[in-house]
Amino acid sequence: SYELTQPPSVSVSPGQTARITCSGDALPKQYAYWYQQKPGQAPVLVIYKDSERPSGIPERFSGSSSGTTVTLTISGVQAEDEADYYCQSADSSGTSWVFGGGTKLTVL
Amino acid sequence: EVQLVESGGGLVQPGGSLRLSCAASGFTFSSYSMNWVRQAPGKGLEWVSYISSSSSTIYYADSVKGRFTISRDNAKNSLYLQMNSLRDEDTAVYYCARAPIWFGESPIPNWFDPWGQGTLVTVSS
Repeated sequence: SYELTQPPSVSVSPGQTARITCSGDALPKQYAYWYQQKPGQAPVLVIYKDSERPSGIPERFSGSSSGTTVTLTISGVQAEDEADYYCQSADSSGTSWVFGGGTKLTVL
Repeated sequence: EVQLVESGGGLVQPGGSLRLSCAASGFTFSSYSMNWVRQAPGKGLEWVSYISSSSSTIYYADSVKGRFTISRDNAKNSLYLQMNSLRDEDTAVYYCARAPIWFGESPIPNWFDPWGQGTLVTVSS
């Protein structure tokens, strides 16, 4: 079955830039999406179609794509950004959707 | 305000059945595709099932195919998940999540926004 690979954890100090990667063979052909999940809460969409930002999401959140890897970048990280982040995409058939294993962002 | 509210979770024995519901409000439910996504305790997210606005197109994850059935009632603004032959590994918080409107293009656009608050399903003897 298709898999998306994320690093288990990323740590940054406040004000620095955090980059979370997600790798998958179908990513050159399928859009990627990113979700933020804080403890005890439902996930929230922060990036769609690789690099689009939904209304209400701060400008410090951005997304990019290069080949089989997509990246979520959080510029000027704030304490409130500490959360789990999940990438999501479709497999090559486009009829099954998968999540990466999640990355725990720690703000030091 | 767009709102999704799940219900129907609870404790069920292995091999048992449960039906989850998701009540939608604040948007034209009949225009949007919908999904179920689950999260086992302390684990990551897993997509479970997708249904198009008219129920004409339905997909399942391999892990639930043949055991779970997704359905919707557009007149009641409601989404359902019938879960049969439940296993220990089905224990999770189940979320309903809205997909974008599908105009028939390929591939099907599917992302999850917004999500409900989730309902906990525990499969245990």
